[in-house]
Amino acid sequence: GAVVSQHPSRVICKSGTSVKIECRSLDFQATTMFWYRQFPKQSLMLMATSNEGSKATYEQGVEKDKFLINHASLTLSTLTVTSAHPEDSSFYICSARRRTGATEAFFGQGTRLTVV
Amino acid sequence: KQEVTQIPAALSVPEGENLVLNCSFTDSAIYNLQWFRQDPGKGLTSLLLIQSSQREQTSGRLNASLDKSSGRSTLYIAASQPGDSATYLCAAANQAGTALIFGKGTTLSVSS
Repeated sequence: GAVVSQHPSRVICKSGTSVKIECRSLDFQATTMFWYRQFPKQSLMLMATSNEGSKATYEQGVEKDKFLINHASLTLSTLTVTSAHPEDSSFYICSARRRTGATEAFFGQGTRLTVV
Repeated sequence: KQEVTQIPAALSVPEGENLVLNCSFTDSAIYNLQWFRQDPGKGLTSLLLIQSSQREQTSGRLNASLDKSSGRSTLYIAASQPGDSATYLCAAANQAGTALIFGKGTTLSVSS
């Protein structure tokens, strides 16, 4: 299957700082990438849809100014958590599809963010 | 709005037992449905993908079925092993290229 690489796998940051998470499709071009958040013992909740070369579409309740998404190329999308607070501590995971209309979604390994 | 529900939330079985995990979705007009496995603190491993036009998919000891009319999918695991212990997630895509909507998962524990 296709490979999606997410980095870093774990990060601890101080409250008030910003953290950038990268999501790369290693062996295919992804016109669309998705960012999810998962709290302990909860399911994955979609945060935003990232389309290459255009602005991300955020789900209701997700602050676009706090969670900055950039999808500058067909193989890279980044999520920046700005002015992180302890309540932002969560498991963040990205997903990519090979091309528009493609069927299977591939997921990165996830990033465990802890804000202290 | 699509909602995905998984029952049971947790399941414990002895090794060797066959088992069924259930997934239901509210909007039957799905594009496809995917089953994933998630180990604690890890990402997702795709197990099976069923297109809306298909009724089932098989991979090794795993068999997933899809019944759009009733809004249900099942994941059948044959001859369970301790290594099958994980959380199993069901997710539906409403349209081509759209995000997956996830259920809360079923946490499976297989004892030896």
